[in-house]
Amino acid sequence: GQNIDQPTEMTATEGAIVQINCTYQTSGFNGLFWYQQHAGEAPTFLSYNVLDGLEEKGRFSSFLSRSKGYSYLLLKELQMKDSASYLCAVDTNAGKSTFGDGTTLTVKP
Amino acid sequence: DSGVTQTPKHLITATGQRVTLRCSPRSGDLSVYWYQQSLDQGLQFLIQYYNGEERAKGNILERFSAQQFPDLHSELNLSSLELGDSALYFCASSVGTRGDEQFFGPGTRLTVL
Repeated sequence: GQNIDQPTEMTATEGAIVQINCTYQTSGFNGLFWYQQHAGEAPTFLSYNVLDGLEEKGRFSSFLSRSKGYSYLLLKELQMKDSASYLCAVDTNAGKSTFGDGTTLTVKP
Repeated sequence: DSGVTQTPKHLITATGQRVTLRCSPRSGDLSVYWYQQSLDQGLQFLIQYYNGEERAKGNILERFSAQQFPDLHSELNLSSLELGDSALYFCASSVGTRGDEQFFGPGTRLTVL
């Protein structure tokens, strides 16, 4: 089965950097997704990591270590609009995605 | 606006009933995914279709079924509804099958009374 852990809540200050961690235990791992979801809205795709390392996309970066079953999402220059839930999801070779419970990030002025 | 449309936006029905949710993917996208999001179980992947064929199956109940039609729109059928089926149902689409950016529709909120 799949086991995905991420912190339930995090708080950070506008302009700062925050790192949201995700650890997983799974069989048939293929890649890892990160999504952003604002309250009452649909999820938005942020990244998909297959290989180890850091992938940068503007203010957001995502890191993966397959051997450690670990990923993180790094958000720089935080803005108030970054307050949202961040979901990591494991993608398996069978094409099935399993989501973590999400991390609710609150950005304060 | 993601370009993915879902109808209806809201649906209220009774236990034991059957409903059909509809999804139209973005133009050019061949994959359609269905997800269920409830307060107690979070976001769950149900099923994926690619160009009319079932590609991957998640935690989809036997009471639920889906299909993708030749014009690439998809329908999710939920039958013998139970109170616990009340949730937000999202459809998403992507160009390919693995790791591509998925674009989510606004969702259908299903309430079973």
